[in-house]
Amino acid sequence: SQQGEEDPQALSIQEGENATMNCSYKTSINNLQWYRQNSGRGLVHLILIRSNEREKHSGRLRVTLDTSKKSSSLLITASRAADTASYFCATGSTGGGNKLTFGTGTQLKVEL
Amino acid sequence: DSGVTQTPKHLITATGQRVTLRCSPRSGDLSVYWYQQSLDQGLQFLIQYYNGEERAKGNILERFSAQQFPDLHSELNLSSLELGDSALYFCASSPRLDRDRTGANVLTFGAGSRLTVL
Repeated sequence: SQQGEEDPQALSIQEGENATMNCSYKTSINNLQWYRQNSGRGLVHLILIRSNEREKHSGRLRVTLDTSKKSSSLLITASRAADTASYFCATGSTGGGNKLTFGTGTQLKVEL
Repeated sequence: DSGVTQTPKHLITATGQRVTLRCSPRSGDLSVYWYQQSLDQGLQFLIQYYNGEERAKGNILERFSAQQFPDLHSELNLSSLELGDSALYFCASSPRLDRDRTGANVLTFGAGSRLTVL
C-alpha cells in the first residue's frame, strides 16, 4: 500500500520556472525523503528531512515538512530540461527494519 | 553507476516459469531491499534483509522468496509467474540498519531488472 500521495500527478513547466510538488502521508513518521527517477531507471536520493525539521535546502531544492498536516513539499527552483523525471516522496519509521514506503510520484516535464 | 548491481537487466519469460533476480549491494552496505514497480501498483516494498537476516516484509507474494548470502549479495526468486508479475524489480542497499535510531536510512538503488511475463 502507498503511504504517500504526490500532487500533482503530472506537471509541465518551462525551463527557468519553479516546480512545486506536494506529498501527503497517512501515519506518523520519523523522516521523509525525496527521490528522483529518470524514465525506467533506478531511483536517486535527493534530500532527507527529519520530523523535527520544518525546512531544508540542497542546491536548487527546497523541502518543507508539516507534520501537523502530514504533508511535505519539494520545490525545484530555476528548473532545467535535465530535471525532467518522476519525483517520489518516501517515509521511514523506526519499526519494521526501517523500510521506506514510497508515494505515487509526480511526473515533471521541463520544456525548453 | 550507483554501486548497486542488478542482473539481468531484462528478462522475458512465460507464465508458470520461475526466475531469479540477483543483486549486489554497494560496497560496505549491509542492508538490501527489494521493491517492485508496476504501472498500476506503483513502487511496492517487498522485503528487506540485513546482514543475512530478514528484517522486514512487505507486499511479497507467497510465490516470491528472497535471501541474502554471506557475501551480502541477494537473490529474489519469483515462481509460478503470472502476467501481472511483469514489472520493474529494484534492489536497493543502505549502510546500516538504523543509522541514528530515527529510521533515516538513505537507499541507493540499482538500475532494476525488467521482467516481462508473456
